[in-house]
Amino acid sequence: SQQGEEDPQALSIQEGENATMNCSYKTSINNLQWYRQNSGRGLVHLILIRSNEREKHSGRLRVTLDTSKKSSSLLITASRAADTASYFCATDALVGANSKLTFGKGITLSVRP
Amino acid sequence: EAGVTQFPSHSVIEKGQTVTLRCDPISGHDNLYWYRRVMGKEIKFLLHFVKESKQDESGMPNNRFLAERTGGTYSTLKVQPAELEDSGVYFCASSQAGTGPREQYFGPGTRLTVT
Repeated sequence: SQQGEEDPQALSIQEGENATMNCSYKTSINNLQWYRQNSGRGLVHLILIRSNEREKHSGRLRVTLDTSKKSSSLLITASRAADTASYFCATDALVGANSKLTFGKGITLSVRP
Repeated sequence: EAGVTQFPSHSVIEKGQTVTLRCDPISGHDNLYWYRRVMGKEIKFLLHFVKESKQDESGMPNNRFLAERTGGTYSTLKVQPAELEDSGVYFCASSQAGTGPREQYFGPGTRLTVT
């Protein structure tokens, strides 16, 4: 299987509910990043969490990282219809100056109005 | 500040033809990356430029793919000759110079369809 594997693969929730998405990975990392992709658009960076961090917040986003379990979660609180998108986690081993993101297949989030 | 731009947004070519994709990174970003997503698969790294030098091209699938970044500004990715399995979305990303963790800014992608 691949690095940066998310679950669930698809998630449908009602507006106002919280959405939790999980990501697991296999190799050592320097940092883990979450991206969002709206239909037909490019990837938008959401948040970066370093391997020595356990939790990070940005607005309605909360990311956790458990390096012992090689897993991360992205929580979106009080979801909105505009949060409907695909979400990807990406790991970065960052060896020296070599940054190379390894992505999972992504999670499709649908937020019903 | 303009973001990462890619051209064309969509390209349809026949097997055996040549296609050149272009990426303009954010001005001043030394790092430029190419990724692609083949249908149903995950987004995969192709290569990484630092200025005009190829830092890591371990993800390039074969010698039908040629990436250049003359002058350290925009980059091109040429596929010659294209095969059916090359169809997918090709993303370009850029980031600032430095050795610490940093976010990559992605372009909207070029959707390549090989028929």
